Amino acid sequence: EPEVTQTPSHQVTQMGQEVILRCVPISNHLYFYWYRQILGQKVEFLVSFYNNEISEKSEIFDDQFSVERPDGSNFTLKIRSTKLEDSAMYFCASREIGVGTDTQYFGPGTRLTVL
Amino acid sequence: AQSVTQPDIHITVSEGASLELRCNYSYGATPYLFWYVQSPGQGLQLLLKYFSGDTLVQGIKGFEAEFKRSQSSFNLRKPSVHWSDAAEYFCAVGVSFGNEKLTFGTGTRLTIIP
Repeated sequence: EPEVTQTPSHQVTQMGQEVILRCVPISNHLYFYWYRQILGQKVEFLVSFYNNEISEKSEIFDDQFSVERPDGSNFTLKIRSTKLEDSAMYFCASREIGVGTDTQYFGPGTRLTVL
Repeated sequence: AQSVTQPDIHITVSEGASLELRCNYSYGATPYLFWYVQSPGQGLQLLLKYFSGDTLVQGIKGFEAEFKRSQSSFNLRKPSVHWSDAAEYFCAVGVSFGNEKLTFGTGTRLTIIP
């Protein structure tokens, strides 16, 4: 069964450094998402992406964040200058739309630790 | 804007006992509703979903959920829990058309005791 994959599973970085989180969505899906979950809190929407552009972003997704689909398979989230409060689990999701279905499938997540 | 409330932060049940996890949503139109499960250190696995039609939906691992429009609820049930069901359960709502993002509840942590 196709699944969303994410790399790395765990990323440790110093405050102020840039990080890139990578995702490979399910191949025939067209909508992609990033969510994050700060430890002990709920999952929060960051950004949605369709047709090579952002379709919606949350207040969290400020100028330090960017997303890209550099090729036909990868979908990346870049944080330009990480802050301590960016420490969280980041989930990528891709969306299946069809007759009678509209479902997001999540990857296993990347745990980002900012020191 | 849509919202989800999971009133129970933590629930403990005995193995073999029945389970009901509560979820209430707020949304002006017909929502898409989901339950996801997250085992420790793992990602989010889809348990079941509701879009339309039969208000009782069946999912994986023996779970079911019932959509009650009058109560704005989508409670998750299982007749007999197994130790492997211990996890965090998240209810989520999506809009029928438009921005497509999911809004999650705060989650319910399920502990199973022997």
